[in-house]
Amino acid sequence: GAVVSQHPSRVICKSGTSVKIECRSLDFQATTMFWYRQFPKQSLMLMATSNEGSKATYEQGVEKDKFLINHASLTLSTLTVTSAHPEDSSFYICSAPDRGRGGYTFGSGTRLTVV
Amino acid sequence: GQNIDQPTEMTATEGAIVQINCTYQTSGFNGLFWYQQHAGEAPTFLSYNVLDGLEEKGRFSSFLSRSKGYSYLLLKELQMKDSASYLCALMDSNYQLIWGAGTKLIIKP
Repeated sequence: GAVVSQHPSRVICKSGTSVKIECRSLDFQATTMFWYRQFPKQSLMLMATSNEGSKATYEQGVEKDKFLINHASLTLSTLTVTSAHPEDSSFYICSAPDRGRGGYTFGSGTRLTVV
Repeated sequence: GQNIDQPTEMTATEGAIVQINCTYQTSGFNGLFWYQQHAGEAPTFLSYNVLDGLEEKGRFSSFLSRSKGYSYLLLKELQMKDSASYLCALMDSNYQLIWGAGTKLIIKP
């Protein structure tokens, strides 16, 4: 089945620095990638939707300049958290539609801790 | 608007059967998903229902009634590894997923 590889799985960074999270579709072309954030004991919150070759669509309340999304190819989408703050500490997950099955395939997630 | 409700937490015994309910309200519907999420991990796909009825897949089954805005996930022969959160997600008319808050299932020996 479709596989989305997400890296890194865990990252600890200092306040003010930037962190890049990558999601690669390994055996299929992902024209769309969804980026979610999940705080402890809460459900997934959609941050933005990236589309290959065009600008990402951000959900209300998500800062475009802080969460930079790039979807430069059909197999790679990246999320960069710029000028990270402790409140950005969360679990970030990407997901791409699995057209063969009709569901969504998730990356393994990235646990970001900003200190 | 859209709304999804599922119980916050449920407890069941190893070897038993448990049913996790999900009710929803939506103006547009393109299917309902169930995902399993272990703590600290990404969700994994369990089932997708777009038509009314029961879909069976091994120990897990999912049911949908569109007229009632209701779905359930049925887990049989519970195993300790089934302890996880179970997320109900609705695909709306724009093919966006709307997620429920999840049901934490605790399995006791």
